[in-house]
Amino acid sequence: GAGVSQSPSNKVTEKGKDVELRCDPISGHTALYWYRQSLGQGLEFLIYFQGNSAPDKSGLPSDRFSAERTGGSVSTLTIQRTQQEDSAVYLCASSLRDGAWEQYFGPGTRLTVT
Amino acid sequence: AQSVSQHNHHVILSEAASLELGCNYSYGGTVNLFWYVQYPGQHLQLLLKYFSGDPLVKGIKGFEAEFIKSKFSFNLRKPSVQWSDTAEYFCAVNRDGNNRKLIWGLGTSLGVNP
Repeated sequence: GAGVSQSPSNKVTEKGKDVELRCDPISGHTALYWYRQSLGQGLEFLIYFQGNSAPDKSGLPSDRFSAERTGGSVSTLTIQRTQQEDSAVYLCASSLRDGAWEQYFGPGTRLTVT
Repeated sequence: AQSVSQHNHHVILSEAASLELGCNYSYGGTVNLFWYVQYPGQHLQLLLKYFSGDPLVKGIKGFEAEFIKSKFSFNLRKPSVQWSDTAEYFCAVNRDGNNRKLIWGLGTSLGVNP
């Protein structure tokens, strides 16, 4: 079956612009997670959704970052007024339910802020 | 700060050599432990996990890991590596409870020479 998909695969943007990153989880997976991987760093948790609600937003690095999930499916991560330090690979994962520990990862979106 | 440490950043082995990748974490209390693998050009995928019970857990492709609570460690092992094991290996930790986020190590790049 189809796995987790993310779009775009690559995004180059100018400093100060807003960007939207999309994640389409595996059908039927109720939990969705966003991570970011900066050069030379491990994966950094950003936010997770159970259904459409986000019980844990503690990883969002600043108020320029926001995420939403609609219909218990697709999620969008928005970064406003991008900065160069936002350059990273943004990974999305989903799991069958909250508490089902295996997370299935998408291919990621590589964001470059110039 | 709470963290996950992977001691080996780059490992190169010959086929049939034994493998052990170190992972230590700094959390007290109950933890859930994971090893994920990312093969070249592929998504992150779960290799094995430990929640409770037998501290020696077996995963896919002949990998195993041992949880040693007194050492806060969860080292990954394989008796005889193959060229196809060339990949990036990540250790991740989750503390029991409602917080579902994973805290990740920086990863170990494994190269296996045929």
